[in-house]
Amino acid sequence: SAVISQKPSRDICQRGTSLTIQCQVDSQVTMMFWYRQQPGQSLTLIATANQGSEATYESGFVIDKFPISRPNLTFSTLTVSNMSPEDSSIYLCSVAGDRAGNTIYFGEGSWLTVV
Amino acid sequence: DAKTTQPNSMESNEEEPVHLPCNHSTISGTDYIHWYRQLPSQGPEYVIHGLTSNVNNRMASLAIAEDRKSSTLILHRATLRDAAVYYCILRDDSGAGSYQLTFGKGTKLSVIP
Repeated sequence: SAVISQKPSRDICQRGTSLTIQCQVDSQVTMMFWYRQQPGQSLTLIATANQGSEATYESGFVIDKFPISRPNLTFSTLTVSNMSPEDSSIYLCSVAGDRAGNTIYFGEGSWLTVV
Repeated sequence: DAKTTQPNSMESNEEEPVHLPCNHSTISGTDYIHWYRQLPSQGPEYVIHGLTSNVNNRMASLAIAEDRKSSTLILHRATLRDAAVYYCILRDDSGAGSYQLTFGKGTKLSVIP
């Protein structure tokens, strides 16, 4: 199994500011992902965080808005830039728990409210 | 990834079995059927997955139709802690696809004491 810690767990942010969310895993993992869950909605994949190279973004998400870093196999950050109230969501970090990726583990999420 | 269809919500009485259905009529030969659940205020957690044969683990059982166009997650004895949104997800695990999961709306299970 993999234990994932996310920081912050919750924050209230001012419109126009940026916030960086950290994701720390207790073991080295190959695949790391960032998801967004808007209020009352399901999860949407933002990007795959690649170690040592640029993240791979899904349609509708761009690097300028959601820059991602992955400096090593246990850590990644997601920045939500120039926030607006529409960015109020839960942001979740997830990892593939084994080489086959049969099990995906999720962090508890970072609950952001933009005012 | 192929699409799945699940009921929006279901109810169950505590300590009774629960059968959560999932239709996936366009499933391909390399798609595995994965189930995750999301308890209130938590990230999703893995429940079970399978390809063709029925699967059992400590959390649940997965019954897969012979034609693989549908599956059922079975909770043998629902507890209050099982109240969650259950997601049925297809993923190409052949190695050609990626590890990412594509979430639908899921089924919200309510457990009545």
